Parts: sequence; structure tokens; C-alpha cells
Amino acid sequence: AQKVTQAQTEISVVEKEDVTLDCVYETRDTTYYLFWYKQPPSGELVFLIRRNSFDEQNEISGRYSWNFQKSTSSFNFTITASQVVDSAVYFCALSGIQGAQKLVFGQGTRLTINP
Amino acid sequence: ETGVTQSPTHLIKTRGQQVTLRCSSQSGHNTVSWYQQALGQGPQFIFQYYREEENGRGNFPPRFSGLQFPNYSSELNVNALELDDSALYLCASSLPGTTNYGYTFGSGTRLTVV
Repeated sequence: AQKVTQAQTEISVVEKEDVTLDCVYETRDTTYYLFWYKQPPSGELVFLIRRNSFDEQNEISGRYSWNFQKSTSSFNFTITASQVVDSAVYFCALSGIQGAQKLVFGQGTRLTINP
Repeated sequence: ETGVTQSPTHLIKTRGQQVTLRCSSQSGHNTVSWYQQALGQGPQFIFQYYREEENGRGNFPPRFSGLQFPNYSSELNVNALELDDSALYLCASSLPGTTNYGYTFGSGTRLTVV
């Protein structure tokens, strides 16, 4: 069975601080996708990144960066110089590559950036 | 290109009633998935439709059913509503096999069962 764990339920930081959201996953699949989504108060899930399991290269997109470590089954997300607009619930998710490719989500981390 | 739209945005139903939620997928996407998100939880996979056929189902009872139409829009039907069905229902469309494959989610329908 697949499982995603986001141990941090809530994080609160002051604007301009760096913050890292942790994600640990379990799967028996040898190939899979990992995702991060942002959920603002409006409710929709905003796609941030997809990572293939065979590509362990870390990625940076502006203030966002992702650290994928297959050896520890982790896919952590760092926001550098956080801004108030980053406040949201963030979800890490896992899917297989074959078949229905359903997303298995973690419980989410509520991030609050205080001015 | 248009995104995923869901209707209605909010709904209040009485226990035992039936409800139909609707989703228009992103242009060109042929796969639609439905998720249930209880308050404070991550979304849970209900089922997925690919080219009008159910393509996978999560751990939900048969009173949760769906349809996908030739234009790839979709419906989620829930019969005999229970209080625990109160949740945000999210629809996601996708186009598997593409380089930038990812799911595009709608804003959801918030269902309250009283």
C-alpha cells in the first residue's frame, strides 16, 4: 500500500524566513511520481511540481526548491524568503505510473507566514 | 485554455437524500478523477474515469457512483447521504502520457449533510 506522511501539521514563521516542509512516503512500486500541491483558502489544489522516481535531481523554481532523496523516501519542499502570500495548506502526494495513477495525499501542512 | 470547473460551489442536503456534483474538465484532458476531502484532512481518491469508463476506484461504497460524458465532463452521484459525507469534493482532470502530465484540480463543491 502507498502512504504519505507529513509530520508537520502546522508551521508558523515570520515573513522572509526560510521554511522547509517535510514529506516521507512509502510505496512498493519501483517507479512512481511525487507531487506537491498548494491549497489556498479558495479550496482548489494548485500544482507545484511533479518528480519522477528515477530522477533524483533537486529542483529550484524561484523561491521554491525541492529535495528528493530516494534513500530516505523523502521529498521535502523549501520556501526561501517566505512571503505572506505563501500562506496555505501544502500537500505532498504520491501516485503510481501505471493504471489509474490515483494520487495518495498526506495530511497536509498548514503554513502561516506572519508579516 | 479553460481550467476545471465544478458546480455547484456549495450544497446543503438532508441525510438520506441523493446528490449530483458536476465537473467540466480542462480542455483536451480525457481523464477525470474525484476526491473527497474531509475537514483538516488530505483528499481521498474516490474513482477515476478514462474515456467514459471507470478506470480505478478507492475505498468508497457503491452509493458513490460516477459518469463521464463524451466531452469528458463528469458527474459524481452520492445516494443515501450520511452525515460523514460532508466534505469538499474535488474533481481533477489529466492527460496521462504527456510530458508535463499533472492533475488540474477544480475549486471543489462543499457538501454539507444535515
